[in-house]
Amino acid sequence: AQKITQTQPGMFVQEKEAVTLDCTYDTSDPSYGLFWYKQPSSGEMIFLIYQGSYDQQNATEGRYSLNFQKARKSANLVISASQLGDSAMYFCAMREEDRDDKIIFGKGTRLHILP
Amino acid sequence: ETGVTQTPRHLVMGMTNKKSLKCEQHLGHNAMYWYKQSAKKPLELMFVYNFKEQTENNSVPSRFSPECPNSSHLFLHLHTLQPEDSALYLCASSQEGLAVAYEQYFGPGTRLTVT
Repeated sequence: AQKITQTQPGMFVQEKEAVTLDCTYDTSDPSYGLFWYKQPSSGEMIFLIYQGSYDQQNATEGRYSLNFQKARKSANLVISASQLGDSAMYFCAMREEDRDDKIIFGKGTRLHILP
Repeated sequence: ETGVTQTPRHLVMGMTNKKSLKCEQHLGHNAMYWYKQSAKKPLELMFVYNFKEQTENNSVPSRFSPECPNSSHLFLHLHTLQPEDSALYLCASSQEGLAVAYEQYFGPGTRLTVT
C-alpha cells in the first residue's frame, strides 16, 4: 500500500489564485512528520514546509500553509496568491519515528500557473 | 559553496564505462542519501549513510556502488550500467537525531543518460 498518495498528477491554475495540492498518508506510527518539497525544472528539490503529528496548529511559511487534518490523514499544501514562479513539481513526504532515517515521497503533482 | 553540491550536473556514458557521481554538503549534517528519480516514478531511495556508516541499501543493483569517506562527501560509483538506469540522481543530507522534524536538503542532481 502506498504510504503517501497525491491524487492530482497535474493542475492548471490562474496566476494570483490560491491553489490546494492534495496529500493523504498512511501510518500507524503516532509520531511522524510531514513535508512538502518543490522541484522546479532545474531539478533541485526545495524544502517548503513541515508539519509534526503532534503540532496543534497548521504550519505556515509565507505564502505556503499546510492544511493538516489528522483524523483524515490529510496534509494538503495551500499556496496563496500563486505566481508564475510557482510552476513546478510538488512532492508530499513523510517521516515516521520508527524509520527516522527515511523520508517517503509521493509521486508528485505538476503545477502550472497560467498568466 | 553552500548547501549541497553535486558534480557533474550532466553525464552521458556508455554501458561499458565507469564513472562516479560526487556529492558534497556544507551544512554540517551527519546523514547523506542517494535518490534515483525516473520519469513518472516516485523518488526512489537508494542508499543512506548515517555518521559515514551505510544504514540502508534499498535493494540497489551492485552496478551502483556508494562510498562515504566522511560525513561531508558521498560518491556513487557507476559501472556497466543499463539504459534503464538513465535518470536524475539526487543527493540529500540531513541532521539526524531523535526527532522526525529534520528535513532533507537536496543537491541539484546529476542527469545521467546511459547509451
